[in-house]
Amino acid sequence: GDSVTQMEGPVTLSEEAFLTINCTYTATGYPSLFWYVQYPGEGLQLLLKATKADDKGSNKGFEATYRKETTSFHLEKGSVQVSDSAVYFCALHQAGTALIFGKGTTLSVSS
Amino acid sequence: DTEVTQTPKHLVMGMTNKKSLKCEQHMGHRAMYWYKQKAKKPPELMFVYSYEKLSINESVPSRFSPECPNSSLLNLHLHALQPEDSALYLCASSPMPAKDNQPQHFGDGTRLSIL
Repeated sequence: GDSVTQMEGPVTLSEEAFLTINCTYTATGYPSLFWYVQYPGEGLQLLLKATKADDKGSNKGFEATYRKETTSFHLEKGSVQVSDSAVYFCALHQAGTALIFGKGTTLSVSS
Repeated sequence: DTEVTQTPKHLVMGMTNKKSLKCEQHMGHRAMYWYKQKAKKPPELMFVYSYEKLSINESVPSRFSPECPNSSLLNLHLHALQPEDSALYLCASSPMPAKDNQPQHFGDGTRLSIL
């Protein structure tokens, strides 16, 4: 079945460092891909999405490109802030099926 | 601010109590979802409602009973819960049930503790 694999955390960075969180997927069709972020004590917020190959999603300085050839959707940010500390979930969705999440990656940014 | 509103934010109940969780959205979405999330884990799907009808039940124990009174409201009725049911319960909605390019919008959840 379809699945999402994220890099294990936690990821600990200093403020203004470059961030990459790896995400790869396995799917039989052509899913849409999402990154969700969960801040402490809150629900999940959609961070960005991409619906087809080579699409680039971007929001709040975060970017991810849908790479069909490598089945990847890695999340990047050029300069992280303390306020970016959260849990990040990569997810895929195909029509008629449930949203499939990766296990989540905890990011901790220190000043 | 989230567009999906869940109440209460916190709930503590005994194993013999009956309580309900509520979820409301006014975005005109026709699909609504209940998820259970344990600490440091991704959300697990429990139920899906499409056009106010239950379309998916992920083999959830009968002590959890969902209800969708109208297109804006989703309830989760709780009865005789077990300590392992303590978790964050998330509600979500999306515009159309089966479309794959429409993201789900999540509420902030109800943190449930079973004594």
